[in-house]
Amino acid sequence: AQKVTQAQTEISVVEKEDVTLDCVYETRDTTYYLFWYKQPPSGELVFLIRRNSFDEQNEISGRYSWNFQKSTSSFNFTITASQVVDSAVYFCALSEAWGGATNKLIFGTGTLLAVQP
Amino acid sequence: DTAVSQTPKYLVTQMGNDKSIKCEQNLGHDTMYWYKQDSKKFLKIMFSYNNKELIINETVPNRFSPKSPDKAHLNLHINSLELGDSAVYFCASRPGTSENYEQYFGPGTRLTVT
Repeated sequence: AQKVTQAQTEISVVEKEDVTLDCVYETRDTTYYLFWYKQPPSGELVFLIRRNSFDEQNEISGRYSWNFQKSTSSFNFTITASQVVDSAVYFCALSEAWGGATNKLIFGTGTLLAVQP
Repeated sequence: DTAVSQTPKYLVTQMGNDKSIKCEQNLGHDTMYWYKQDSKKFLKIMFSYNNKELIINETVPNRFSPKSPDKAHLNLHINSLELGDSAVYFCASRPGTSENYEQYFGPGTRLTVT
C-alpha cells in the first residue's frame, strides 16, 4: 500500500531562516511520482513540484529546493531565507506511475509552517 | 481566466438536506477528481472521472453521487447530509490519462452541516 508520512506537524521559524520539510513515502511500485503542494491561509492548493522516481536529481527553484533520495524513500523540501508569505500548510503527495485515469494522489498529513517576522 | 472553478465557495446547511457542489475546468483536461479535506487538513480522494466516465469511487457512501455532464464539468451531489460531511471539498483536473502530469485544484468548497 502507498503511504506518505510528514512527521513534522508544525514548524515555526523566524523570517530569513532556512527550513526543511520532511517527507517519507512507502510504495511497492518501482516507478512513481512525488509532488509538493502548498496550501496558504486562503485555502487553495498550489502545485509546487512533480518528481519522477527515475530522476533523483535535486531541483532548485529560487528559494525552494527539493532533495529526492530513493535509498531512504524521502523527498524533502527546503525553503531558504524564509519569508512571511511562505506561511502555509505544505503537503507531500505520491501517485503511482501506471493506471491511467485510475491514478490518484496519496497525500501526507501536511506540515504547517509559520514564518514569524 | 480561472482554470478550475467551484461553486459555491461556502455552503452552510442543516442535517438531512440535499446539496450540490459544481466544478468546471477550462483547461481542456480529460480527467477530473473530487477530494475531501477534513478538519485535520487530511486530503483524500473521493472520485475521479475521465471523459464523463466514473473511474475511481473510493468507498464513499452512496449519499455522494458525482455527475459529469461533459468533460469540463464534474458536480457532486450529496443526499441526506450528516454532521460528518462537514469538510472542504476540492475539485481537481489533469490532462489525459498519463500519470506524467500534476493535478490542478479548484479553490475548494467549505461545507458546514449544522
